Amino acid sequence: GQQVMQIPQYQHVQEGEDFTTYCNSSTTLSNIQWYKQRPGGHPVFLIQLVKSGEVKKQKRLTFQFGEAKKNSSLHITATQTTDVGTYFCAGGGGSNYKLTFGKGTLLTVNP
Amino acid sequence: GAGVSQSPSNKVTEKGKDVELRCDPISGHTALYWYRQSLGQGLEFLIYFQGNSAPDKSGLPSDRFSAERTGGSVSTLTIQRTQQEDSAVYLCASSPRAGVGYGYTFGSGTRLTVV
Repeated sequence: GQQVMQIPQYQHVQEGEDFTTYCNSSTTLSNIQWYKQRPGGHPVFLIQLVKSGEVKKQKRLTFQFGEAKKNSSLHITATQTTDVGTYFCAGGGGSNYKLTFGKGTLLTVNP
Repeated sequence: GAGVSQSPSNKVTEKGKDVELRCDPISGHTALYWYRQSLGQGLEFLIYFQGNSAPDKSGLPSDRFSAERTGGSVSTLTIQRTQQEDSAVYLCASSPRAGVGYGYTFGSGTRLTVV
């Protein structure tokens, strides 16, 4: 079945440093979504990418979808303490309804 | 409702007992999903509903797990004869419909502890 791998598992940064998490799928994806889960909270939808090579920005967050639609990345510029949480990627495959989630990257930020 | 509502928020049960977890999706959302999240792990797909039907039950771990959805709205996930390995946070999510273009709105989850 479809597998979505996400690295790194953990990342600790000083406030102001940049952060990137990477997502790789074993199969070509129809779309990829990113979610953020704050400690003790539930996942919250951030964005969806659909097109090959697509790049989207949300303030300090930049999301990319690879040309082959098998990988994606989330980059945060100049991290803040409010960025703390686990970032999940979730890939949509041939079924067109079910998302397969990566294990997430836990980001901690030292003020 | 304004968001996805799950109840109870916490459930402690003895091994071997049955439990029912409830999910009330956003009004008008036809697609509903159950996922399970174990400590420090990702989200494991359990089951998907489109309206009242469940086209995909492939993620249910065993025949002790079942789910239904009535009136195209509320869903219940039932776990019979609970085991310690069932301990996890059970998350429900809904979306306007299934397919590309729709992000999931998750509920706050039910934290199940089997002792």
